[in-house]
Amino acid sequence: QSVLTQPPSLSAAPGQKITISCSGSNSNFEYNFICWYQQLPGTAPKLLIYDNYKRPSGIPDRFSGSKSGTSATLGITRLQTGDEADYYCATWDSSLRAWVFGGGTKLTVL
Amino acid sequence: EVRLVESGGDLVQPGRSLRLSCAASGFGFDDYAMHWVRQAPGKGLEWVSGITWNSGRIDYTDSVRGRFTISRDNAKNSLFLQMNSLRPEDTALYYCVRIAVAVQAIEYWGQGTLVIVSS
Repeated sequence: QSVLTQPPSLSAAPGQKITISCSGSNSNFEYNFICWYQQLPGTAPKLLIYDNYKRPSGIPDRFSGSKSGTSATLGITRLQTGDEADYYCATWDSSLRAWVFGGGTKLTVL
Repeated sequence: EVRLVESGGDLVQPGRSLRLSCAASGFGFDDYAMHWVRQAPGKGLEWVSGITWNSGRIDYTDSVRGRFTISRDNAKNSLFLQMNSLRPEDTALYYCVRIAVAVQAIEYWGQGTLVIVSS
């Protein structure tokens, strides 16, 4: 079974840069494409990154994604208080035929 | 503008049934696979079920297989989730989501409809 592991929480000051990790335990993870979602308090998730590093139209370049081997990373630069949210990584596991989500990382911008 | 509007959530007793609906607009509904994702109060995201554009392929997470049925009506731009034998652990906000074409991504999310299973 595919499992995606994220740190439960992170905190940083405005203007700083952070990275959120997402590690996979499935041997297929290396070949999976990772998405990242931002969920602001009280709202539905929003797609930030797809295909490991691509940004949908309208997502600022302060957000970036990368993937290497069994680990993916979301980067956020020039942190703003409005970036306070829960962040989730996700992937479509073609062997399970299921979307698998990480447990989420709560980002606090102090 | 893509819009996904869920409805049908309610407070129900364990063992009862509920039917969720999702009204889609602003895009060619029959071009896209559609899924349901849920989020228990204060918890993370959990994928529930998915259906291809023509209903040719349907998938479920193990915990709902045999109890939930996903379906769609392309003529009415609607997605459904029939939920039977509901359990307290099914309590969650249920999101209707659109799957991107040609890439593996959940592109758009509705605002969700709340299902509470409790006696």
